[in-house]
Amino acid sequence: GENVEQHPSTLSVQEGDSAVIKCTYSDSASNYFPWYKQELGKRPQLIIDIRSNVGEKKDQRIAVTLNKTAKHFSLHITETQPEDSAVYFCAAKGSTSGTYKYIFGTGTRLKVLA
Amino acid sequence: DGGITQSPKYLFRKEGQNVTLSCEQNLNHDAMYWYRQDPGQGLRLIYYSQIVNDFQKGDIAEGYSVSREKKESFPLTVTSAQKNPTAFYLCASSGRREVSQPQHFGDGTRLSIL
Repeated sequence: GENVEQHPSTLSVQEGDSAVIKCTYSDSASNYFPWYKQELGKRPQLIIDIRSNVGEKKDQRIAVTLNKTAKHFSLHITETQPEDSAVYFCAAKGSTSGTYKYIFGTGTRLKVLA
Repeated sequence: DGGITQSPKYLFRKEGQNVTLSCEQNLNHDAMYWYRQDPGQGLRLIYYSQIVNDFQKGDIAEGYSVSREKKESFPLTVTSAQKNPTAFYLCASSGRREVSQPQHFGDGTRLSIL
């Protein structure tokens, strides 16, 4: 079945450094890739997304890249700040067999050390 | 997200009891989803519905039931057959299934066993 693998599961960086989280998806029909940030006990919130017809998208300190051939996509956070500490989830939306659902990665716990 | 309301915020279940979690959205979204999140874990899909009066099982549907009688509402019943119901339950919605749009999440219901 469809699967999204996410690495690493935990990531610690010094404040001001960059953080990179990588995801690999299995369904070649996937065409939409959102990233969510979830703080403890809260709901996931969309931070950036990318569609399959685009290779890269940037929003201030956050960027996402997509390699459709390799079925990889990555989240890049530059100049990290303590408030970036949270769990980050990648997801892929596909259309296998006419159903449309979002397949989530297992999450990355990011800790930004002051 | 103010567009999706989950209630109650906290719920306690006794042995042998069925409980129902409410999810209402005013975003005019076609699709709605229920996820279960265990501590430190990712999001696991329980059920989803792409249109009124239709729904599909997700990866962990056993012990749960849903209905979709109205576009705005997608209640989840945790039955007594679900032996380990303690978790954080998240409801989400998204637009027309063919459109690449993010999911919007509610604030969640935390369910515990008494």
